[in-house]
Amino acid sequence: DTEVTQTPKHLVMGMTNKKSLKCEQHMGHRAMYWYKQKAKKPPELMFVYSYEKLSINESVPSRFSPECPNSSLLNLHLHALQPEDSALYLCASSQVQGGYGYTFGSGTRLTVV
Amino acid sequence: QQQVKQSPQSLIVQKGGISIINCAYENTAFDYFPWYQQFPGKGPALLIAIRPDVSEKKEGRFTISFNKSAKQFSLHIMDSQPGDSATYFCAATSFGNEKLTFGTGTRLTIIP
Repeated sequence: DTEVTQTPKHLVMGMTNKKSLKCEQHMGHRAMYWYKQKAKKPPELMFVYSYEKLSINESVPSRFSPECPNSSLLNLHLHALQPEDSALYLCASSQVQGGYGYTFGSGTRLTVV
Repeated sequence: QQQVKQSPQSLIVQKGGISIINCAYENTAFDYFPWYQQFPGKGPALLIAIRPDVSEKKEGRFTISFNKSAKQFSLHIMDSQPGDSATYFCAATSFGNEKLTFGTGTRLTIIP
């Protein structure tokens, strides 16, 4: 299995809702990442988990809450989002701590209404 | 110093032509330079990558040229096809660095 699987593919949520994005990989990668991508822009790093521990938080607002239950799973919990948070949310993983050999998922297209 | 500058922002190439996208970096600690291809609604997919100990790497129709002294690298797509129409991002990182620094992206359109 050489994929990073993200669910759901599309999500529409209201500003008072709570929802979660899920990411799964079975490649034995020990680093996992959340990125946010706005239209026509490169991905922006949000969080990095290394060996299931949060190693980088790029000053992301607390309405985004990451969780890494085990080495294969990564969640992003969403609460009280704003319309400007609408974007493509990408999960990625890599074999070693660092940018070598990143594998991205197909993303979750999030729309906040 | 962490920036990677990418040009052009958009590119239109005729089918069968050569597409060329350029990137430049400042941080000499970078030691891994991947290129990603992204189709609309999909995540970026690794296309080809190079390390600074080689000046060129070729995989099929895709070639990376690397100029360490100029701190520049470029992607060449030979015999460009309509299926190559996508957004291309160059990137850079170094071993142990958890961040992948992306260029700003190039939207490539191949016309028949």
